[in-house]
Amino acid sequence: SQTIHQWPATLVQPVGSPLSLECTVEGTSNPNLYWYRQAAGRGLQLLFYSVGIGQISSEVPQNLSASRPQDRQFILSSKKLLLSDSGFYLCAWSSSHPAGTQYFGPGTRLTVL
Amino acid sequence: GQQLNQSPQSMFIQEGEDVSMNCTSSSIFNTWLWYKQDPGEGPVLLIALYKAGELTSNGRLTAQFGITRKDSFLNISASIPSDVGIYFCAGRNNQGGKLIFGQGTELSVKP
Repeated sequence: SQTIHQWPATLVQPVGSPLSLECTVEGTSNPNLYWYRQAAGRGLQLLFYSVGIGQISSEVPQNLSASRPQDRQFILSSKKLLLSDSGFYLCAWSSSHPAGTQYFGPGTRLTVL
Repeated sequence: GQQLNQSPQSMFIQEGEDVSMNCTSSSIFNTWLWYKQDPGEGPVLLIALYKAGELTSNGRLTAQFGITRKDSFLNISASIPSDVGIYFCAGRNNQGGKLIFGQGTELSVKP
């Protein structure tokens, strides 16, 4: 069966510091991968998605970037965090052909102080 | 762009009551999904719908894909305290496989 992991579970970082969040998927190959942010207001905002290694699509202009160095690894990064980057970050995967139902990881709670 | 309107935003009910929530879209979807999110965790898929008119159950949960393909509802029968959480609808058309999410319905169940 497929599983999705996110690391770390929680993170407190000062403004201006770098960020690296990791997402890995097991039990499937060539998945579509997604990064979402969920603010306190509950809505899920799609940040990035990837259909393959090195292929990243950005949904909104922001202070963040994403990379996919391996088939089942998705990284969310920032060079300098802003206060507004605080939130709950969720990674999700789906099958690729055709694009299927998305399954979410456990999330990372990021607090920028 | 496409938007999903999910209602109600929140519900406070007594244990044992039935619950109904719905989502409407400004355009046609070919897939409707319903997720539940517990505090501090990722959303978990409850029901997936792929055909207009489809009615699918998962235990006490029932969801339907509207005939117009622009709406879906989720019913929970005989609610229990562990039903507490935020329920999200999500829809997808054929464009790129991305999901559009509703804003969520926060359910509180009083024992």
